[in-house]
Amino acid sequence: AAGVIQSPRHLIKEKRETATLKCYPIPRHDTVYWYQQGPGQDPQFLISFYEKMQSDKGSIPDRFSAQQFSDYHSELNMSSLELGDSALYFCATTGQRDDSGTYEQYFGPGTRLTVT
Amino acid sequence: GDSVTQMEGPVTLSEEACLTINCTYTATGYPSLFWYVQYPGEGLQLLLKATKADDKGSNKGFEATYRKETTSFHLEKGSVQVSDSAVYFCALYTGNQFYFGTGTSLTVIP
Repeated sequence: AAGVIQSPRHLIKEKRETATLKCYPIPRHDTVYWYQQGPGQDPQFLISFYEKMQSDKGSIPDRFSAQQFSDYHSELNMSSLELGDSALYFCATTGQRDDSGTYEQYFGPGTRLTVT
Repeated sequence: GDSVTQMEGPVTLSEEACLTINCTYTATGYPSLFWYVQYPGEGLQLLLKATKADDKGSNKGFEATYRKETTSFHLEKGSVQVSDSAVYFCALYTGNQFYFGTGTSLTVIP
């Protein structure tokens, strides 16, 4: 079965550089969520999109922005990178409710960003 | 606000031992509850879920029961295997996002 695709899987950047992370949802999934997971931490919600519109916002720094495109893929743009931005960035997508009426989130494998 | 409190690790068990990882939650409304598992270097994988009070989620020998009266969703397995070694996250979903616990690292030794 198709899964959530994220690219790149690994990214190394220097401080003050920019980075773009991409997320390709499961076909027919229209909602994308972005999470940041620091070393040994739980995933922290950053931002979400539904039908190409921002639907909810979490602890996303002002240096970061994101958007969802017409094909439902999403990009997380990160500028003025800091050492503390080093983390695993997950995206998750949801589509229709399952049999229990729940929107199950399917997580991508993540992009590991290292800022040096 | 909505939150999840999860038993801290790490937890080390011998193969075939019993496992319990405690999870309690705080939420307005009626959340759905989940356990996710994360293997090293990989993304989160859904282990099991429960969407209403008294529901029991189960998968791969793991079980968790949605207890509204104690606001808990403890993860249990009667006999763990080495392959169960991973980090386990309890999570709740109340609307637009998931809230995760801090994760419990489990190591099962032969």
